[in-house]
Amino acid sequence: DTGVSQDPRHKITKRGQNVTFRCDPISEHNRLYWYRQTLGQGPEFLTYFQNEAQLEKSRLLSDRFSAERPKGSFSTLEIQRTEQGDSAMYLCASSSTDSFGAEAFFGQGTRLTVV
Amino acid sequence: AQKITQTQPGMFVQEKEAVTLDCTYDTSDPSYGLFWYKQPSSGEMIFLIYQGSYDQQNATEGRYSLNFQKARKSANLVISASQLGDSAMYFCAIRTVQGAQKLVFGQGTRLTINP
Repeated sequence: DTGVSQDPRHKITKRGQNVTFRCDPISEHNRLYWYRQTLGQGPEFLTYFQNEAQLEKSRLLSDRFSAERPKGSFSTLEIQRTEQGDSAMYLCASSSTDSFGAEAFFGQGTRLTVV
Repeated sequence: AQKITQTQPGMFVQEKEAVTLDCTYDTSDPSYGLFWYKQPSSGEMIFLIYQGSYDQQNATEGRYSLNFQKARKSANLVISASQLGDSAMYFCAIRTVQGAQKLVFGQGTRLTINP
């Protein structure tokens, strides 16, 4: 297994356009997380799935954002009507157990630039 | 709510020296886990070390050790014998029961190793 993969790695879009990102977690991991990281800041939690169920959403996730994880495998994060403030690195992570010590494995992220 | 504070925006260290990166946390949950991640310029978050709130001994992983002082709510990362490849951003994070399974990150410390 090659780890968590995210696609695309970079995305430049015009303001008002819709964008969709994909995350493929490590195959046996049932937990999947999305984070957003702006320049000079730590990652901020957006949403979390256990299998196909979306269990928690941050207040950061406005109604323009939607995430899915059909069949508990890959996940997509869609941003509708993008704004310049959406420009950030979007990180996906997965983990396998309920233990506190279960590390989250991160992908390399998708860098979004809204122009 | 949980909070992580990293007070050192940047650190500069000579190669082969030891370095301590500071992290303080705030939570009312008695059960929590503390994590350190490294983020090189490529963007991927790399897990370094974990400390559970009930662990009696400080965690160690190779050149990394965690100086856990529960009463002071601090979890400093110590890197021994620093190497040029250690230059990166370093993030401290906390996971609690109250916070579901998400990681809450600090703002990070940029570590630069000088030859």
